[in-house]
Amino acid sequence: AQSVTQLDSHVSVSEGTPVLLRCNYSSSYSPSLFWYVQHPNKGLQLLLKYTSAATLVKGINGFEAEFKKSETSFHLTKPSAHMSDAAEYFCVVRGPGSSNTGKLIFGQGTTLQVKP
Amino acid sequence: DGGITQSPKYLFRKEGQNVTLSCEQNLNHDAMYWYRQDPGQGLRLIYYSQIVNDFQKGDIAEGYSVSREKKESFPLTVTSAQKNPTAFYLCASNYRSPNTEAFFGQGTRLTVV
Repeated sequence: AQSVTQLDSHVSVSEGTPVLLRCNYSSSYSPSLFWYVQHPNKGLQLLLKYTSAATLVKGINGFEAEFKKSETSFHLTKPSAHMSDAAEYFCVVRGPGSSNTGKLIFGQGTTLQVKP
Repeated sequence: DGGITQSPKYLFRKEGQNVTLSCEQNLNHDAMYWYRQDPGQGLRLIYYSQIVNDFQKGDIAEGYSVSREKKESFPLTVTSAQKNPTAFYLCASNYRSPNTEAFFGQGTRLTVV
């Protein structure tokens, strides 16, 4: 069975400081992993994805994530937070599943607060 | 432009009434999903469909129904049997290939009055 755990429900940083949002996963297969961002009352937007190519993945808006198989982690980072980064972030795993369907499994989400 | 469209953005329903939420995609995606989002509970899967005329229950299907008569469309009906329907509903779609990402609509906020 696949699962994903976001280790922090809420993260608060100051503008201009680094961001770290933590995600651990569990999968019997080599998973596909994604980070999405959601602004209030909006849909989810893809930030980046890992699909067994390079382990360091660069995404939009300066975000990146590193896939570490030995630690079963896929943490999201950004060197310098901007006020517009304040949002909800979801880590998602997708594996082969049955019949190659690959349902999406969501973490509980991390709310990022950015203080001026 | 390709994308996934949910309508309406806001919906109000009286208790005891059924209501249908629309989801349309022009991305030629095989699979479509409905999620419910409540504060502090993340996204919970209601129903999903991998191909036309076939769909499966997710984790919280009770009180909901769906149809998939066309590849582009996956409407969700919230029935009067759903005890607590007030929530934010998100529709998503993707290709069946496991390495591909899902695209999301902008959501429908349903309020029971």
